[in-house]
Amino acid sequence: GQQVMQIPQYQHVQEGEDFTTYCNSSTTLSNIQWYKQRPGGHPVFLIQLVKSGEVKKQKRLTFQFGEAKKNSSLHITATQTTDVGTYFCAGFSNRDDKIIFGKGTRLHILP
Amino acid sequence: DTGVSQNPRHKITKRGQNVTFRCDPISEHNRLYWYRQTLGQGPEFLTYFQNEAQLEKSRLLSDRFSAERPKGSFSTLEIQRTEQGDSAMYLCASSLEGRVGDEQYFGPGTRLTVT
Repeated sequence: GQQVMQIPQYQHVQEGEDFTTYCNSSTTLSNIQWYKQRPGGHPVFLIQLVKSGEVKKQKRLTFQFGEAKKNSSLHITATQTTDVGTYFCAGFSNRDDKIIFGKGTRLHILP
Repeated sequence: DTGVSQNPRHKITKRGQNVTFRCDPISEHNRLYWYRQTLGQGPEFLTYFQNEAQLEKSRLLSDRFSAERPKGSFSTLEIQRTEQGDSAMYLCASSLEGRVGDEQYFGPGTRLTVT
């Protein structure tokens, strides 16, 4: 069945450093979404990517969808303490008609 | 505030008991999803509804689990004969009409502890 793998599992960065999390699917995706979950909170939608090779930016966050629509990345420039949380990718495949979440990357910011 | 509400927020039950959770989605959303999340893991898809129709069910959803959305509005998730392995956060999400994969709005979840 479809699998979505996300790396790294944990990332500790100094405040001001950059951060990247990677998402890889075992199957071609129709689209991919990214969510952020703060400690003790619920997932909050960040963005959806649909097109092959798509790149979207939200302030310090840059999202990419691979050409083959099997991988994606989220890059945060100059991290801030408010970026703390777990970032999940969620891939959707038309074939399976369900969304599969990755296990997430937990970002911890060192002051 | 995402607008999706879930009740109760916490439930402690003894093994073998039945529990029922409720989800009230954002009113104009016609898709409703149930997920289960354990510590350190991403949400695991359980099932989803388009209006009152249950369209997809994960293999994770054993016969002890059942979900309903009788009038296409709120939904309930029932777990019968609970087991300790059922302890988790149960998340509900809703989205506007469209293909599955559209932006989902999550509720705060119901944390189930089976003792």
